[in-house]
Amino acid sequence: EAGVTQFPSHSVIEKGQTVTLRCDPISGHDNLYWYRRVMGKEIKFLLHFVKESKQDESGMPNNRFLAERTGGTYSTLKVQPAELEDSGVYFCASSPQWGFHQRESYNEQFFGPGTRLTVL
Amino acid sequence: DQQVKQNSPSLSVQEGRISILNCDYTNSMFDYFLWYKKYPAEGPTFLISISSIKDKNEDGRFTVFLNKSAKHLSLHIVPSQPGDSAVYFCAASTGNQFYFGTGTSLTVIP
Repeated sequence: EAGVTQFPSHSVIEKGQTVTLRCDPISGHDNLYWYRRVMGKEIKFLLHFVKESKQDESGMPNNRFLAERTGGTYSTLKVQPAELEDSGVYFCASSPQWGFHQRESYNEQFFGPGTRLTVL
Repeated sequence: DQQVKQNSPSLSVQEGRISILNCDYTNSMFDYFLWYKKYPAEGPTFLISISSIKDKNEDGRFTVFLNKSAKHLSLHIVPSQPGDSAVYFCAASTGNQFYFGTGTSLTVIP
């Protein structure tokens, strides 16, 4: 079974430019999450989709960030315009159906490898 | 304000000995706790979890202990192996939002 994939693996852009990150979750996973880790700090929640709906976007830093998940499959996270403080590693994670209880680790999220974003 | 804290950024342990990684949290509403392991250039991978109704969960060499009164979580790895060298994140959840710590980098010395 293919895992969570993210594209690109690295992106270097200049301040003011636009970048779009893509996440392909594990097939059939309804839940999709975006996280960000600034160097040496915690992995911080950005938002959560259940299928195509935004369940919780309380972690989005500001309106320069726009996430979409059309059709409930892959998701994109657009940063426009990018600022220096947006640099970090952006992780995507997915998990099975909402309220899905199979074993104790029912809340397990499967993470992608991350996209390292550098804003110069 | 950080709700999940890992106060030790790094830990070195001799192969075969026990590794103990610690995590503290502030929100008493957390009902589910997880440990993730992360290798360089990879995403975190799930290791072990525990619900708030338990105080211990064991899976092979990995045991997680939960002390709700102290709001403290720990991960024990015994015996430690060189392949365990990685960054370990603890996470806590109130439902479907997860809060992660800053990670502890474990080095197991052969």
